[in-house]
Amino acid sequence: QVQLVQSGAEVKKPGASVKVSCKASAYTFTIYYMHWVRQAPGQGLEWMGIINPTTGSATYAQKFQGRVTMTRDTSTTTVYMELSSLRSEDTAVYYCAKAQWVYDSSGPGDSWGQGTLVTVSS
Amino acid sequence: QSALTQPPSASGSPGQSVTISCTGTSSDVGSYNYVSWYQHHPGKAPKLMIYEVSKRPSGVPDRFSGSKSGNTASLTVSGLQAEDEADYYCSSYAGSNNVVFGGGTKLTVL
Repeated sequence: QVQLVQSGAEVKKPGASVKVSCKASAYTFTIYYMHWVRQAPGQGLEWMGIINPTTGSATYAQKFQGRVTMTRDTSTTTVYMELSSLRSEDTAVYYCAKAQWVYDSSGPGDSWGQGTLVTVSS
Repeated sequence: QSALTQPPSASGSPGQSVTISCTGTSSDVGSYNYVSWYQHHPGKAPKLMIYEVSKRPSGVPDRFSGSKSGNTASLTVSGLQAEDEADYYCSSYAGSNNVVFGGGTKLTVL
């Protein structure tokens, strides 16, 4: 079955960057877009952006533009989300989530990674 | 991209029905039939319950149903069960590869 396995928890200082990985398996990697969603403590789900694994093209939520970069490595079927200029408010669990349908960008589907806790603290 | 509006909480007794609303704008919910609903238990990954307004993925009980009218979508849970207690989030496509989530609703089974 589809698996999305994310990298482990990270602790970063304010101003630093973090790069979270999401390794996909058991499906054709290039034809399903991948979303990134985060949840800060006590807060709701927040959509960060989406990447097209075929082209590498990404669309970012306005809030994160200039600070987030989503990339992919087709040879390892892995997508990455890098967030820079970290501040305490970026402390959250970050999820990757596969689109439900081929070449569909309408929203995350039924396959999510396990989540990666990123803690930003001095 | 403003978050969709959901009530912070909802509740019902076992066996009852409860409906959770999700209000957006004519730029998201009102323009696209791409509203999804997710169930989220703390510490676990969100689970897709409804997609494209009213469709259920395989394995989701038919107690869960979705609908939309204008800029507002709704999730109805019928025959409430204890295991339905969770946070529920709506999302909508908002054009140009953008997606927006609701603020979430905590469903309590009394």
